[in-house]
Formats: sequence, structure tokens, C-alpha cells
Amino acid sequence: QVHLQESGPGLVKPSETLSLTCTVSGGSISSYYWSWIRQPPGKGLEWIGYIFYSVSTNYNPSLKSRVTISEDTSKNQFSLKLTSVTAADTAVYYCARGAAGTGGYWGQGIPVTVSS
Amino acid sequence: EIVLTQSPGTLSLSPGERATLSCRASQSVSSSYLAWYQQKPGQAPRLLIYGAFTRATDIPDRFSGSGSGTDFTLTISRLEPEDFAVYYCQQYRSSPYTFGQGTKLEIK
Repeated sequence: QVHLQESGPGLVKPSETLSLTCTVSGGSISSYYWSWIRQPPGKGLEWIGYIFYSVSTNYNPSLKSRVTISEDTSKNQFSLKLTSVTAADTAVYYCARGAAGTGGYWGQGIPVTVSS
Repeated sequence: EIVLTQSPGTLSLSPGERATLSCRASQSVSSSYLAWYQQKPGQAPRLLIYGAFTRATDIPDRFSGSGSGTDFTLTISRLEPEDFAVYYCQQYRSSPYTFGQGTKLEIK
């Protein structure tokens, strides 16, 4: 059974960089698309982007200038970096399998607050 | 960007009743790239349907999806108490992949 677990700081200061990691167990991350999706408090879902085979990435244009998704196959992990964060980046961040999260496996989500 | 509009915003029904949720796209999505999710408070979304009508693993057959082009429907044939939640549609035909704003299915 594939299991995804997000990790990282729950509090980030404005203008700093949000860094999260998703650890995948129960299967290799190779050969699959992996994505990040977020959900601001009380709001809907926003797709952030995906990575495939460590080198192919696609980002939401609304975040593209600030987002980097990378993969570490040796650790079976993939990561999200979001620079220059503001309060608008406060959300629950989910990692998921599939380019859009449609691979059927999601992490439980990690809440991240942007505040000084 | 493809905008998805879900209706109604809130649906009040009783257990045992039939629920019909709608998702309309601002441009054609094609049947292959429309998904439905269920989300309960404090939980991650759960994939119910992909490719507009294919049930995901372990999803009961009371959930069914239909539609094509720009109009899609999620039907729950007989509501169980555990079905009361928020439902989202999502298109993954073209990037950025987008979600509808959600339909809250509440107990009447």
C-alpha cells in the first residue's frame, strides 16, 4: 500500500521560503508523476505543480516564478519550495501521486502558516 | 485556464435519497480528464471518479459519474450517512489543472 507523508515547518515568516518534503513508502517514486496541491483555510483546492522522472516539471502559472518541485529518488522523496511567501500562502499543503493528484494517493496534508 | 463551476453550492438531503451534483467547464474538457473528489473535515480529498465515469479503487458503486464536453454529473444513488461531505470536480485536460469551488452535501 502506497503511503505519502508531508513534513516541514508549520510556521514560515513572510518573505522567507516555504520548504516541504513528501516521503513515499510502499512503492518507488520512479515512473510516476508526483504533485503538490494546497488548500487555504476554509477554501477550495489549488494545484501547485508536478514533477516526473526528476526533470520534467509543470507549475501553475500563478505561482510559477516562486515554485520549485524536485525529487530525490535515493530517499524516495519529492519536495516543494515556495519563495517570498506572504499570508496568502497560508494553507494545508498536500502531496499526491499523479500529475494532477488523480493517482489515488494523497498525503494527510500539512498546515503551514505564514506569519511573523 | 479552464474554470469549473459546481452547482449547487449546498445540497440538503436525507439518507437514502439520491444526490445529483453538477460541474460545468468554461471550455471542453473531454471525458478522459474529469475527476471527482470527496473531502471530509480535517481529511485529505479522496478520489472517487476519474475519466469522468471510472470509479477509483474501493469506491462503492452507489457513486457514478457521467457527462462529456463541458457538463459533468456526479450521482450518489442512495445516500449513506458517511457520504455527507464536500465534493470537488477537477479537470486535468490542460494545465493549470483546476478544481471547482465545491458542493457541500449536508444532512437535511
